[in-house]
Amino acid sequence: EIVLTQSPGTLSLSRGERATLSCRASESIRNNYVAWYQQKPGQAPRLLIYAASSRATGIPDRFSGSGSGADFTLSISRLEPEDFAVYYCQQYGSSPPNSFGQGTKVEIK
Amino acid sequence: QVQLEQSGAEVKKPGSSVKVSCKSSGDTFSTYSINWVRQAPGQGLEWMGGIIPVFDSPYYAHKFLGRVTITADVSTSTTYMNLHRLTSDDTAIYFCARGQRGEVNDALDFWGQGTIVTVSS
Repeated sequence: EIVLTQSPGTLSLSRGERATLSCRASESIRNNYVAWYQQKPGQAPRLLIYAASSRATGIPDRFSGSGSGADFTLSISRLEPEDFAVYYCQQYGSSPPNSFGQGTKVEIK
Repeated sequence: QVQLEQSGAEVKKPGSSVKVSCKSSGDTFSTYSINWVRQAPGQGLEWMGGIIPVFDSPYYAHKFLGRVTITADVSTSTTYMNLHRLTSDDTAIYFCARGQRGEVNDALDFWGQGTIVTVSS
């Protein structure tokens, strides 16, 4: 079973700074099928990135995804107040399907 | 615009079952997968299983095999998740979410608002 490990657990940054979040898989993800989600308190997750680097509809271009194989990254170029949230990665390329990482919280410094 | 509307909060006794519904609108219901993801208080996301209504063949995470039943009613564009033999560890928010490509393995592009299930004696 593929295990996704996200790091760091918490990222403390200021508005306007760049955020870099990591998602490492225990083995290579087929087709680089990795997605990233943003979740704010009391809300459902929102799809940001799919297939490692494609932005979902309506997602600002300050969000970008990269990586391949077993190492993936979500970058937020300039943090806006609404970006402070918890971010999850998900793999959907291998069995068992649709497993998630444990999350990275981006908090205001 | 795709929307997923879930049923309301539930309070259940240990050992009982809960059935949560998810009504889809704004897309071709039968060709997309509907998945169920839960989130225990203060915890991360956990995928439970899903179904592609046109195939009427559910698929489940190994952890939930034998304890969860996912069904779909194409006539009402509604998917159901039934979780049996509840324990306090099943207290969580349960989300339904649409698969982006209509595959078993999929990114989840639209989500319901979540249903709080509390298991307490």
